[in-house]
Amino acid sequence: SAVISQKPSRDICQRGTSLTIQCQVDSQVTMMFWYRQQPGQSLTLIATANQGSEATYESGFVIDKFPISRPNLTFSTLTVSNMSPEDSSIYLCSVQLRGSGTEAFFGQGTRLTVV
Amino acid sequence: GIQVEQSPPDLILQEGANSTLRCNFSDSVNNLQWFHQNPWGQLINLFYIPSGTKQNGRLSATTVATERYSLLYISSSQTTDSGVYFCAVRGWRDDKIIFGKGTRLHILP
Repeated sequence: SAVISQKPSRDICQRGTSLTIQCQVDSQVTMMFWYRQQPGQSLTLIATANQGSEATYESGFVIDKFPISRPNLTFSTLTVSNMSPEDSSIYLCSVQLRGSGTEAFFGQGTRLTVV
Repeated sequence: GIQVEQSPPDLILQEGANSTLRCNFSDSVNNLQWFHQNPWGQLINLFYIPSGTKQNGRLSATTVATERYSLLYISSSQTTDSGVYFCAVRGWRDDKIIFGKGTRLHILP
């Protein structure tokens, strides 16, 4: 497996502000994804982070609200913009690693509360 | 896209009991994983099992790909087994991994 470092681990933010979440991996990465887990719910895919190009967003998620960058193979950021209380969730970075096929590994998540 | 259904949604057991969690999926897959989400929200990889049977201590899993289901067995449950168990699959048509809604397991001392 690998060490997947996600920062911050938690934050409390004011509505209307933005938060950027970082994901750093210490191994070679083939695919990188961002998920959202709303309270008491399952994980929902936000987007696939593509190296050096625009992310591929799932239905219901837009770039203006969730801009994603992936400047290199092992690092990505997710920004939650213009936050409202409905954005309170756990946000998770997920990767597939070279040599591990399609197995997915997850960071420890960022627990976001918007007040 | 692929549909993933997990059952039961909730399960309450006494410590020491055995349990079976089920995951049904609607299309052929090239990846199936079981995860345990602990009370702090972290997802722990339990099994990567697109087909066949695997065992790891008190846990084992079986995936019957031709019949589109997987089972997770937990024997001699401990209170630390409490949490949410997720099944997640990836189909052949794209790279996305789709999660079921999970089974919430409560192990009582």
